[in-house]
Amino acid sequence: DVKVTQSSRYLVKRTGEKVFLECVQDMDHENMFWYRQDPGLGLRLIYFSYDVKMKEKGDIPEGYSVSREKKERFSLILESASTNQTSMYLCASTFVQGGRDGYTFGSGTRLTVV
Amino acid sequence: EDKVVQSPLSLVVHEGDTVTLNCSYEVTNFRSLLWYKQEKKAPTFLFMLTSSGIEKKSGRLSSILDKKELSSILNITATQTGDSAIYLCAGGYGGATNKLIFGTGTLLAVQP
Repeated sequence: DVKVTQSSRYLVKRTGEKVFLECVQDMDHENMFWYRQDPGLGLRLIYFSYDVKMKEKGDIPEGYSVSREKKERFSLILESASTNQTSMYLCASTFVQGGRDGYTFGSGTRLTVV
Repeated sequence: EDKVVQSPLSLVVHEGDTVTLNCSYEVTNFRSLLWYKQEKKAPTFLFMLTSSGIEKKSGRLSSILDKKELSSILNITATQTGDSAIYLCAGGYGGATNKLIFGTGTLLAVQP
């Protein structure tokens, strides 16, 4: 089974802290994505990466950055956490051509910024 | 602006009922329509639809895409309490990056 693992299930951070969310996949997928999920807004794309060291902004990149130094790992960084970044964060990966099974998602990290 | 709209937003049914969930899309360079089921954590893949009019089935679930109407439906027959979840619809677009744009989801609650 393809596995996408997110390092933390729940996280509580203080306003202004730098926060790292880690995601690792074990299926040699080229593409990796970070979404946030909020009630009534669905999943919104923050950033994605289609290769090592390659990244592109999604729909809501403000306040976030990413790092992909290795193919299997995609990190989301909140440079200075704010309360409006309290959310569920989902990582996903897929092959370049998508494959027949769409994206594979991690279990999510529920981040609370206080 | 690209968007995916799902309806209804929420639905409460009794076990054994049949439900139909709707998804409409406006996606530039549309490639595929995907359905996911999300319980307490990661969304899990249900269907990917690329061709219009061809029904895909998996047990009590089925789905079909209508490219003329830019829509898709997800049917669940003989619902069970284990079907209670958020059902997400997503439109796939883009070239090599294969990005998805998601709807807000339909929350389905199946009561015993």
